[in-house]
Amino acid sequence: AQSVTQPDIHITVSEGASLELRCNYSYGATPYLFWYVQSPGQGLQLLLKYFSGDTLVQGIKGFEAEFKRSQSSFNLRKPSVHWSDAAEYFCAVGEKGGSEKLVFGKGTKLTVNP
Amino acid sequence: GAVVSQHPSRVICKSGTSVKIECRSLDFQATTMFWYRQFPKQSLMLMATSNEGSKATYEQGVEKDKFLINHASLTLSTLTVTSAHPEDSSFYICSAPAGTYEQYFGPGTRLTVT
Repeated sequence: AQSVTQPDIHITVSEGASLELRCNYSYGATPYLFWYVQSPGQGLQLLLKYFSGDTLVQGIKGFEAEFKRSQSSFNLRKPSVHWSDAAEYFCAVGEKGGSEKLVFGKGTKLTVNP
Repeated sequence: GAVVSQHPSRVICKSGTSVKIECRSLDFQATTMFWYRQFPKQSLMLMATSNEGSKATYEQGVEKDKFLINHASLTLSTLTVTSAHPEDSSFYICSAPAGTYEQYFGPGTRLTVT
């Protein structure tokens, strides 16, 4: 069965600092990988996705993520964090060739200090 | 991008009553929709897959008779929480696929059962 692990429950960074949120997945083949962001009391917004091809993908709001097959990882990065980036971030995996279900990690809460 | 709406955004009901939550795809048709439940500070857990014109597919451990799903049209799915109890209080989010394994999420419905 697929699973997604986000090792960091809560991360605090200063505004302007760089950010990396970790995501590891367990899956037999190459999955579809996603990062979503959720502001308090809101739904999820897609930041970026990886299906195939270039392993470094660019998303919205200046985010990027790199798929590393050897490490089963899909870490999210941003070079300079803004206060508005404070939110909950979820990594998700979808099954190629299967249903359109997504399996989510438990999320990482990002706090940005001024 | 595709838009998914949910109504209501918040609902408070008394224990023992039923409450209906609507999920609509506003600018695209969705033969499938997904219903998730999110507990505080936790990830999204898939409850069921709503299928237009046929029965919903429930995930293991989800009570079919308690969480009634109806996918009446290509743009509307409803989740009815029957005989609600305080432990059903949660944040319910729907999503609809729009493109290869991409899902668009509604803003969520906060249910509080008193």
